[in-house]
Amino acid sequence: EPEVTQTPSHQVTQMGQEVILRCVPISNHLYFYWYRQILGQKVEFLVSFYNNEISEKSEIFDDQFSVERPDGSNFTLKIRSTKLEDSAMYFCASSLAPRETQYFGPGTRLLVL
Amino acid sequence: DAKTTQPPSMDCAEGRAANLPCNHSTISGNEYVYWYRQIHSQGPQYIIHGLKNNETNEMASLIITEDRKSSTLILPHATLRDTAVYYCIVRVSPSGSARQLTFGSGTQLTVLP
Repeated sequence: EPEVTQTPSHQVTQMGQEVILRCVPISNHLYFYWYRQILGQKVEFLVSFYNNEISEKSEIFDDQFSVERPDGSNFTLKIRSTKLEDSAMYFCASSLAPRETQYFGPGTRLLVL
Repeated sequence: DAKTTQPPSMDCAEGRAANLPCNHSTISGNEYVYWYRQIHSQGPQYIIHGLKNNETNEMASLIITEDRKSSTLILPHATLRDTAVYYCIVRVSPSGSARQLTFGSGTQLTVLP
């Protein structure tokens, strides 16, 4: 069964450093999403992406964040200058269409020291 | 998207049916009911969704009341691996735009041996 994959599974970084989280969505899916979950809190939407453009973004997704589809398979989330409060699980998801079910990857645990 | 209300926690004996309720009294006619679960800190896993008819798949059954103001997710024979947080999400399905999922706090289901 096709699935969303994410790398790395864990990332430790120093405050102020840039990180890139990678996702490979399900191959025929066209809509891509990033969510995050701070430890003990709810899963929160960050951004959705379609046709090389951001469709929606939340207020969390500020100028420190960016997304890109650098090639035909990867979808990346970049955090330019990490803060302590960026420590969280980051989940990528994809769907065939905006009305269709979103399928999530296993997540990347980001720890900012 | 309409708000949902779920009990914070439930227990179920292994092998018995787990019935997880969700209240969505402000649901509108074009809103679907989705269920996801999250095992530990893994990515949310899609279970099932429906509009107004009852639905069944290999994982679960979804019973939606006739007035659509509430629904019940049924895991027919719960196993220890079904211990997870279960999220009921009401989601409008417009055409033309990707729509985020809004996660609440969900129901922590604990399956007891």
